[in-house]
Amino acid sequence: AQRVTQPEKLLSVFKGAPVELKCNYSYSGSPELFWYVQYSRQRLQLLLRHISRESIKGFTADLNKGETSFHLKKPFAQEEDSAMYYCALKVANSSASKIIFGSGTRLSIRP
Amino acid sequence: DADVTQTPRNRITKTGKRIMLECSQTKGHDRMYWYRQDPGLGLRLIYYSFDVKDINKGEISDGYSVSRQAQAKFSLSLESAIPNQTALYFCATSEKGWTTPLSYNEQFFGPGTRLTVL
Repeated sequence: AQRVTQPEKLLSVFKGAPVELKCNYSYSGSPELFWYVQYSRQRLQLLLRHISRESIKGFTADLNKGETSFHLKKPFAQEEDSAMYYCALKVANSSASKIIFGSGTRLSIRP
Repeated sequence: DADVTQTPRNRITKTGKRIMLECSQTKGHDRMYWYRQDPGLGLRLIYYSFDVKDINKGEISDGYSVSRQAQAKFSLSLESAIPNQTALYFCATSEKGWTTPLSYNEQFFGPGTRLTVL
């Protein structure tokens, strides 16, 4: 079954502390994973994708196929990181692709 | 700026009523999607359309129908609304993959429509 699991509904950390938002996936094909973010009163938007191997706003995420995980990490949290974060998995067949979203984790950064 | 817009932004209706949610985009994207967002369940795909003549069911299409009137417009209808369809509904668009049909391009989301069915 194709599935994205984000086990934490809410994660609260202090400013300056490290952050790790967990994401696990289930997919028989070659996975492509993404993180989307929704800041307060803003639209859902793409944060990063694993194939780009990029760091956006200090966040990184490494695809671990052995553990089927794609955790989002940041070494020092900032207050503006408070948002809803969604992990997403691309699933594809021979003609088309779509993405499946996890249930989301609300990150709250305390001053 | 090219944008994705949704109307209405908020709607309260009664059980059994027919409701249409509209999505328009000026991004020139071929692909359009409808999702619903529920607390604890995240975003779930209702329907998606890869072009005007191509419409596909998502994971939770029961109780919904869609119409792709033009490249820029994709409407979601609830023929007979029920309370468990109370949710936040998002429209999204993306470009067609130009390298292969399976290419994934970033999805751009509308602001959402909050629907309450009493």
